[in-house]
Amino acid sequence: YDLTQPLSVSVALGQTAVISCEGDNIGSKNVHWYQQKAGQAPVLVIYRDRRRPSGIPERVSGSVSQNTATLTIARAQAGDESDYYCQVWDANTLDVVFGGGTKLTVL
Amino acid sequence: QVQLQESGPGLVKPSQTLSLTCSVSDDSMNSGAYYWSWIRQPAGKGLQWIGRVESSGDTDYSPSLKSRVTMSLDKSKRQFSLNLTSVTAGDTAIYYCAREMAAALFFDSWGRGAQVTVSS
Repeated sequence: YDLTQPLSVSVALGQTAVISCEGDNIGSKNVHWYQQKAGQAPVLVIYRDRRRPSGIPERVSGSVSQNTATLTIARAQAGDESDYYCQVWDANTLDVVFGGGTKLTVL
Repeated sequence: QVQLQESGPGLVKPSQTLSLTCSVSDDSMNSGAYYWSWIRQPAGKGLQWIGRVESSGDTDYSPSLKSRVTMSLDKSKRQFSLNLTSVTAGDTAIYYCAREMAAALFFDSWGRGAQVTVSS
């Protein structure tokens, strides 16, 4: 099972960043998102498609349609510059699958 | 907030076995609500799940690595471990241990990561 993310996304400071994650019938799976800053371990920012862990601001949100999951970061800040990864569990292959990651640049 | 910490050799010779241990700061290893996973990341590349061990000792491994991986846990020591056999340079990576929520299979806590280099 493959998850496809754009290699990079750029957003102006204060604007809204949208990062996509495409997969066959991804809407039938639970999608999770991680933020990884340079030199650090990943941090969970969205789980079960749209839920935020404690400490994650409301301007970070997730949504899912049939074949695309989306991570949206409103009012982008310099501190949002990171790599972002989507992740699902593939029950067919019994494997955890990560997207290839998207580098977010805040201009 | 649970903390996880990887430990083990940073350098392993080709064809040998990579062994890492993850220490967990609280008693959550006793709970069936969590699984205990290993994930790796080669330099400049993405994340790859290696496998998980449940509190029962049952394991699941990624199909791509299954033939070379063994995981176990020791709840009395609050530790779980990874063994990866017959390593090559392609196994050079940062290795993360992580706590996985059993109900929805996402990783809510991660260790800082351990760099392992395979080289003679």
